[in-house]
Amino acid sequence: GESVGLHLPTLSVQEGDNSIINCAYSNSASDYFIWYKQESGKGPQFIIDIRSNMDKRQGQRVTVLLNKTVKHLSLQIAATQPGDSAVYFCAENEAGGTSYGKLTFGQGTILTVHP
Amino acid sequence: DAEITQSPRHKITETGRQVTLACHQTWNHNNMFWYRQDLGHGLRLIHYSYGVQDTNKGEVSDGYSVSRSNTEDLPLTLESAASSQTSVYFCARPQTYQETQYFGPGTRLLVL
Repeated sequence: GESVGLHLPTLSVQEGDNSIINCAYSNSASDYFIWYKQESGKGPQFIIDIRSNMDKRQGQRVTVLLNKTVKHLSLQIAATQPGDSAVYFCAENEAGGTSYGKLTFGQGTILTVHP
Repeated sequence: DAEITQSPRHKITETGRQVTLACHQTWNHNNMFWYRQDLGHGLRLIHYSYGVQDTNKGEVSDGYSVSRSNTEDLPLTLESAASSQTSVYFCARPQTYQETQYFGPGTRLLVL
């Protein structure tokens, strides 16, 4: 059942700082990973993805790092802005036809950017 | 980007009632998914479909059903609503890549 009083991990940064959000995954068969951003009252929005044959991928102001040895994923946001304040989720997809497109989500991290 | 719409956006119902949440996509994609989101649990997969007449159970399917009579719609039905089903429900379809989900705006459901 659901636990009462669970709190999401939080990260508070100053505007202009770099942010690093971490995620641990448990399924060694996962071969595709995604970071989503979710603002209050909205659905998750795709930020960046990475496949298991890569260990780093860069986008605009964002970088995703994948360490398959320790099953760890991180999202780096450069020059964080107040508009980056949101909940960030990592998600994984296991390889294979029966799992196609089915995502397993992490718990989420709340990022707050102070002006 | 092609839209995915959900209705209603907010719903209050009573325990034991049947409730249906609508999801409509304009991209005619074969794959569609329903997730629920609860604080501390992220998003969890309820049901999904890979095409017309195809439906599959996800991680938290008990108490829910879906039907797929056409490509555009995947309605989610709560057969007998329970307070534990109070949640935010998101419908999704693939985005740029097949594995990436594009989410609708969500339906907030409160079961009293």
